[in-house]
Amino acid sequence: TQLLEQSPQFLSIQEGENLTVYCNSSSVFSSLQWYRQEPGEGPVLLVTVVTGGEVKKLKRLTFQFGDARKDSSLHITAAQPGDTGLYLCAGPYNQGGKLIFGQGTELSVKP
Amino acid sequence: DSGVTQTPKHLITATGQRVTLRCSPRSGDLSVYWYQQSLDQGLQFLIQYYNGEERAKGNILERFSAQQFPDLHSELNLSSLELGDSALYFCASSTLGSSYNEQFFGPGTRLTVL
Repeated sequence: TQLLEQSPQFLSIQEGENLTVYCNSSSVFSSLQWYRQEPGEGPVLLVTVVTGGEVKKLKRLTFQFGDARKDSSLHITAAQPGDTGLYLCAGPYNQGGKLIFGQGTELSVKP
Repeated sequence: DSGVTQTPKHLITATGQRVTLRCSPRSGDLSVYWYQQSLDQGLQFLIQYYNGEERAKGNILERFSAQQFPDLHSELNLSSLELGDSALYFCASSTLGSSYNEQFFGPGTRLTVL
């Protein structure tokens, strides 16, 4: 059972386009994190959202945490080839530090 | 650079063999996590250690074991290797005091079992 469902799984767009990636769950999370992973490298933490309804911006990336803390979205404005990578959402599962990851969204931005 | 180091970067071995993957956490982090990433399974949590003690277990096979040493580095031992064990293995570390458990990942070890 996948606790965090990401959509879409694959996204191929042209440079300059906007896109949104979704991370959904039937469970409530105390926080959600977004990571970006490039091929052959480890995931890199982008942001943590902790309050229902929270919006965080990181340059052209906008992250939102749902009011009920069951979902999150990542919006990229004017995507660039450097945004290409695997985007993963993750949330803490029970106590003790374990993180549950979504299956990821593979983004390809073509020049 | 996350501050987490992993060695080796690549490992090629044969079925039935045993290998050891090594991880050094960020300075000051007491908690170490091991993950396996394959194309069909995504990023799967294997095991967590905190200050030398096992803290949580995930989908870790009995053929796999891990430990964390007094200097906080950790090793993941994989034995009786099978073709299906070929994957990327990541180590991550965190400051367990953080409420959000933000984790910092190493560059990974790519294991190929032939």
